[in-house]
Amino acid sequence: GQQVMQIPQYQHVQEGEDFTTYCNSSTTLSNIQWYKQRPGGHPVFLIQLVKSGEVKKQKRLTFQFGEAKKNSSLHITATQTTDVGTYFCAGPGSGGYQKVTFGTGTKLQVIP
Amino acid sequence: DAGVTQSPTHLIKTRGQQVTLRCSPKSGHDTVSWYQQALGQGPQFIFQYYEEEERQRGNFPDRFSGHQFPNYSSELNVNALLLGDSALYLCASRPRFRGAWLDEQFFGPGTRLTVL
Repeated sequence: GQQVMQIPQYQHVQEGEDFTTYCNSSTTLSNIQWYKQRPGGHPVFLIQLVKSGEVKKQKRLTFQFGEAKKNSSLHITATQTTDVGTYFCAGPGSGGYQKVTFGTGTKLQVIP
Repeated sequence: DAGVTQSPTHLIKTRGQQVTLRCSPKSGHDTVSWYQQALGQGPQFIFQYYEEEERQRGNFPDRFSGHQFPNYSSELNVNALLLGDSALYLCASRPRFRGAWLDEQFFGPGTRLTVL
């Protein structure tokens, strides 16, 4: 079945350093979404990418969708303690667009 | 405008019991999905409801069943609970799927189920 892997699994950074998480799907995705889940919280939608090679920015966050639409990345510039949480990518699962497959997640810890 | 609400917040059950979890979608949303999130894992899609019918289902056994009411609220039922069913159960709502790709989903706070 479809698999969506993220690396790294964990990342500890010093506040002010940059952070990148990578998402890789075993199948081509029509689109990809990114979510953030704070400790003890629920996933919160960040952004959706649709086009091959698309790049979108939200303040210090930069999202990219690969040319082959099988991978994506999230880059955070100058991390802050408010960036702490687990970042998940998600895409339509095999068997139907409604079956969302979440990635394995990258847990970010920011050291003040 | 209330977001997605879920009840109860926490629940403790024993093996073999049955449980019902409830979800009210965000105002204006008619599609509800349920996810299971084990500790340290990503959410796993259980099923999705709209127009009071199950439309898509993930790889979960028949012990997991659901229902959607005319007011779009939804229930998740799990029978014959196993220890492995211990997880955070998340409900997410969105407007009806209209295009060739997903729309933003709004998640509720979840119900933490512990099976002893």
